Amino acid sequence: QVQLQESGPGLVKPSETLSLTCAVSGYSISSGYYWGWIRQPPGKGLEWIGSIYHSGSTYYNPSLKSRVTISVDTSKNQFSLKLSSVTAADTAVYYCARHGYPVWGSGSYFDYWGQGTLVTVSS
Amino acid sequence: QSVLTQPPSASGTPGQRVTISCSGSSSNIGSNTVNWYQQLPGTAPKLLIYSNNQRPSGVPDRFSGSKSGTSASLAISGLQSEDEADYYCAAWDDSLNGHWVFGGGTKLTVL
Repeated sequence: QVQLQESGPGLVKPSETLSLTCAVSGYSISSGYYWGWIRQPPGKGLEWIGSIYHSGSTYYNPSLKSRVTISVDTSKNQFSLKLSSVTAADTAVYYCARHGYPVWGSGSYFDYWGQGTLVTVSS
Repeated sequence: QSVLTQPPSASGTPGQRVTISCSGSSSNIGSNTVNWYQQLPGTAPKLLIYSNNQRPSGVPDRFSGSKSGTSASLAISGLQSEDEADYYCAAWDDSLNGHWVFGGGTKLTVL
């Protein structure tokens, strides 16, 4: 059974960088599939942030691209998110998830999700 | 403002059939498949329907999906109290080098 677990600071100051890690168990990232980050502001809908392949190829939401970096560490079977210059608008529950289709783009979907971690941006 | 448009709320009584709509455009629903997610209160989203009308293992056949043109629908028959949740549609959007877009979500209340 594939399991994902997010970890990282729950509080980040404005203008600083948000950093989260997603540890994967039950499946080797090196075996394939794409891995992504999605966020959900309190009381609001879902927003895709970006995704990565085990080779390191990355894909970002155009609206966040200038501030987002996603990386992968296959030796630790985990991938990470960095979001720079955060503001209160970045306060959200951040989820990591697996794309359940081995090809990038249309046809894929998020089949396994982490439980999510709340990150609050405040001084 | 979400790229895909869903009604903010829907409701039904136990046993009823309820449908939730999702409207998009030619760059997303019109040319790509649609997925649906169910989010129970305080939990992570769960894949409910993928590729327009496919159910993952373990999802009851009370849940069904369809797509026509630039719109999609999720139907829930034999409504149960445990179906009370938020439902989100999602699709790949071909614009801006491609990216994933979601609907704003529909809160389903079982009366």
